[in-house]
Amino acid sequence: QQQVKQSPQSLIVQKGGIPIINCAYENTAFDYFPWYQQFPGKGPALLIAIRPDVSEKKEGRFTISFNKSAKQFSLHIMDSQPGDSATYFCAASSAGGTSYGKLTFGQGTILTVHP
Amino acid sequence: NAGVTQTPKFRVLKTGQSMTLLCAQDMNHEYMYWYRQDPGMGLRLIHYSVGEGTTAKGEVPDGYNVSRLKKQNFLLGLESAAPSQTSVYFCASSYSLNIQYFGAGTRLSVL
Repeated sequence: QQQVKQSPQSLIVQKGGIPIINCAYENTAFDYFPWYQQFPGKGPALLIAIRPDVSEKKEGRFTISFNKSAKQFSLHIMDSQPGDSATYFCAASSAGGTSYGKLTFGQGTILTVHP
Repeated sequence: NAGVTQTPKFRVLKTGQSMTLLCAQDMNHEYMYWYRQDPGMGLRLIHYSVGEGTTAKGEVPDGYNVSRLKKQNFLLGLESAAPSQTSVYFCASSYSLNIQYFGAGTRLSVL
């Protein structure tokens, strides 16, 4: 049972384009939504994260948009560069009770940015 | 500062063989996690630990066992490997219940 659904599965853009990756969740107890970036042969690394008390968070060229009522959030990469080519995972977790920071991941999006 | 180190990096097993994957972290983190990554499935939690001497089941625990005898180490065992366990395994550790730090992974093939 996939509680976090991510789309698209793969995405190809030209340098300077703005790729958008979307995620939808079901569990209303989720209150922390990170994005992880993974390069080939490496482990995932935290890129940016948001909590549901804000609708948008920006760090450099990366922006998360969050829609609590729709239970959706998305990652936008401004002025994308070939070095951004990687697999991106959205995730969700809840802070309360016995969750212990366990993350539920989306299926992943393979992003390719052409020069 | 090594962070999270996983050994081995690659392994090929025959069906029915056993093996142990080692995860070591030098950040004094309380929480540690084992995930498996399969194409189109994202990362799925196998087992996790909230401190030395504790372990708990994640989303896909069947066929795996874990131990955390020392705070810095989290071991993942396969008692009788099956082809369905062919995957890339990632270990992660955390101190804040939010930010998880991942190792580089172990690529396992079961023939």
